[in-house]
Amino acid sequence: QKEVEQDPGPLSVPEGAIVSLNCTYSNSAFQYFMWYRQYSRKGPELLMYTYSSGNKEDGRFTAQVDKSSKYISLFIRDSQPSDSATYLCAMLPNTGNQFYFGTGTSLTVIP
Amino acid sequence: ETGVTQTPRHLVMGMTNKKSLKCEQHLGHNAMYWYKQSAKKPLELMFVYSLEERVENNSVPSRFSPECPNSSHLFLHLHTLQPEDSALYLCASSQAVGQPYEQYFGPGTRLTVT
Repeated sequence: QKEVEQDPGPLSVPEGAIVSLNCTYSNSAFQYFMWYRQYSRKGPELLMYTYSSGNKEDGRFTAQVDKSSKYISLFIRDSQPSDSATYLCAMLPNTGNQFYFGTGTSLTVIP
Repeated sequence: ETGVTQTPRHLVMGMTNKKSLKCEQHLGHNAMYWYKQSAKKPLELMFVYSLEERVENNSVPSRFSPECPNSSHLFLHLHTLQPEDSALYLCASSQAVGQPYEQYFGPGTRLTVT
C-alpha cells in the first residue's frame, strides 16, 4: 500500500466552480499536511500547510485534515483559469526529514 | 537571482556520458534537497543536506553522486545513467531540515537519457 494516495485526474471544471482535491494516507504518524501547486515547467510551490487536524483558510483556498479518517482535502472556491495546475499533497511525520508526496492531481479550469 | 535556481533546465545525455546538475539557493537556507519527479509517480526524495552534511540518502543508485560544497550550492553528478533515469530533477531548500512549511523548489532540470 502506498503511503499517500491521490487521484491523478485529470479534473476539468468551469470557471467559478468549487474544486475539491483529496488525498488519503496510511501512516498515522503524519502530523504535517501540505498542499503544493505546480505549474507546467515549474517546480512545486507551497500553497498551505496544517499541523494535525482541523481547517485552515487562505483566501479562496481551504485545507481540511481529518486524522480519524486519514483524509485531507483542499477546496478552491470561485476557481479561476490561473488555478489550472497540478496539485500535490505532501505529509511529514512529527520527527524525520522524509516528506511523502501524492502523485498529484491535474486541474484545468475552463474560462 | 532570487529563490532557487537550477541549471541546465534541459539535458539530453547518452548512457555513457558524465554530466552534472547544479542548484543554487539565494534564501540563506541551511538545508538542501534533491528530488526525482517521474510521470504518474510521487516525488521521490533522493538526498538531503544540512549545513553541507548529507543527512539522508534514500537508497539511490551510486550512478547519482551528490555534492554540497557550501550551504548555497548543491550538485548532482550523473554517470552511466539508464533510460529509466529520465525524469524531472528538482532541487529544494529550507531553513532547516524537518520544517515542512519552508521548502522552496527550483524549476527543475528535465533529463532525458538516450
